[in-house]
Amino acid sequence: AQTIHQWPVAEIKAVGSPLSLGCTIKGKSSPNLYWYWQATGGTLQQLFYSITVGQVESVVQLNLSASRPKDDQFILSTEKLLLSHSGFYLCAWGTDTLYFGAGTRLSVL
Amino acid sequence: QQQVRQSPQSLTVWEGETAILNCSYEDSTFDYFPWYWQFPRESPALLIAIRPVSNKKEDGRFTIFFNKREKKLSLHITDSQPGDSATYFCAAGAQVVGQLTFGRGTRLQVYA
Repeated sequence: AQTIHQWPVAEIKAVGSPLSLGCTIKGKSSPNLYWYWQATGGTLQQLFYSITVGQVESVVQLNLSASRPKDDQFILSTEKLLLSHSGFYLCAWGTDTLYFGAGTRLSVL
Repeated sequence: QQQVRQSPQSLTVWEGETAILNCSYEDSTFDYFPWYWQFPRESPALLIAIRPVSNKKEDGRFTIFFNKREKKLSLHITDSQPGDSATYFCAAGAQVVGQLTFGRGTRLQVYA
């Protein structure tokens, strides 16, 4: 069975500070991986997707970047956080059906 | 431009009633329509999904009705239970990797 793990569970960060969120999937070879962002009470906005190691496609520009250093790992990061980055970050895997991790709650103060 | 629209934004029903959640889309290339539910402070989970080859998909108390001509679908929850209280997202995807567009969700509250 496939398992997807996100870290950290939650973060409280200051405006202008850097951020790195991680996602690891086990039990699936060469998965398609995605990053989604959800504002409180909002919809799910796709940020990035990757179909293979080293290749990441950006869907929307939010002053964030993503990387896929390993087949089972997807990283979301920024050098300078904005207040608007607050929200719920979700990593997912799949092709048409997406399966989400437990998410990371980010508060930028 | 919102490609997937959901209505109502929120819905309240009593236990045992049927809840009807609506969804419409604009892009004719969409060929896969999953519904996700999300409980407070949890991540979304797949509930039920349909492809345009069918106009109905049933799974227990949950049924999707699909109208390809009108580009509309609806999720019917029969015999609603308090445990069904959640936000329901309609999504649409095409056979292109990475394309799954979500609606803004319907918040369902079921009172006992």
